Amino acid sequence: SQQGEEDPQALSIQEGENATMNCSYKTSINNLQWYRQNSGRGLVHLILIRSNEREKHSGRLRVTLDTSKKSSSLLITASRAADTASYFCAGPQGGKLIFGQGTELSVKP
Amino acid sequence: IAGITQAPTSQILAAGRRMTLRCTQDMRHNAMYWYRQDLGLGLRLIHYSNTAGTTGKGEVPDGYSVSRANTDDFPLTLASAVPSQTSVYFCASSAETGLGTEAFFGQGTRLTVV
Repeated sequence: SQQGEEDPQALSIQEGENATMNCSYKTSINNLQWYRQNSGRGLVHLILIRSNEREKHSGRLRVTLDTSKKSSSLLITASRAADTASYFCAGPQGGKLIFGQGTELSVKP
Repeated sequence: IAGITQAPTSQILAAGRRMTLRCTQDMRHNAMYWYRQDLGLGLRLIHYSNTAGTTGKGEVPDGYSVSRANTDDFPLTLASAVPSQTSVYFCASSAETGLGTEAFFGQGTRLTVV
């Protein structure tokens, strides 16, 4: 009963390219969050977008939200090798914070 | 440094043994969560707590129990461990329950049940 499903499951790009990850969710939400996880570490919050927002920026990150399609996307521009990590979307479901399965991003130098 | 602390960082446990994973936060957050992470399955919610004194079941609660006697601590207990509980366990906290506040994660406990 995961709230979000990420696509693709894995993504491999060259340094300098843009990376786009998508998240589709099941139920109506009032916000959606994106997290990053480096290998073997805990998750770190990246950005939160609320249901009344269409787009939000934070540095090289751009997040969009389409509530009619129940989908969100995370764009990382001008990727760096240090961006290599897993990225997860998460949304509220019945008062709980539920995560998707994640996208594993590999940025090759 | 404020944050969320888990202990132990790793453990090898014999099947059938009882084990408590500890989680403490010093941010005075109301909500706390326990997740397990398995390869290919992302993070799955085990149990959660909206505030001290209350707990709720997540996606995969069977075989686990939690308590929330105070704001800071949220221990997770495996009453009788089984090999399928081999996983990495993450504790997290947020100011409110899934209502648009950032969740902070511990560094995880790697548990192997043999």
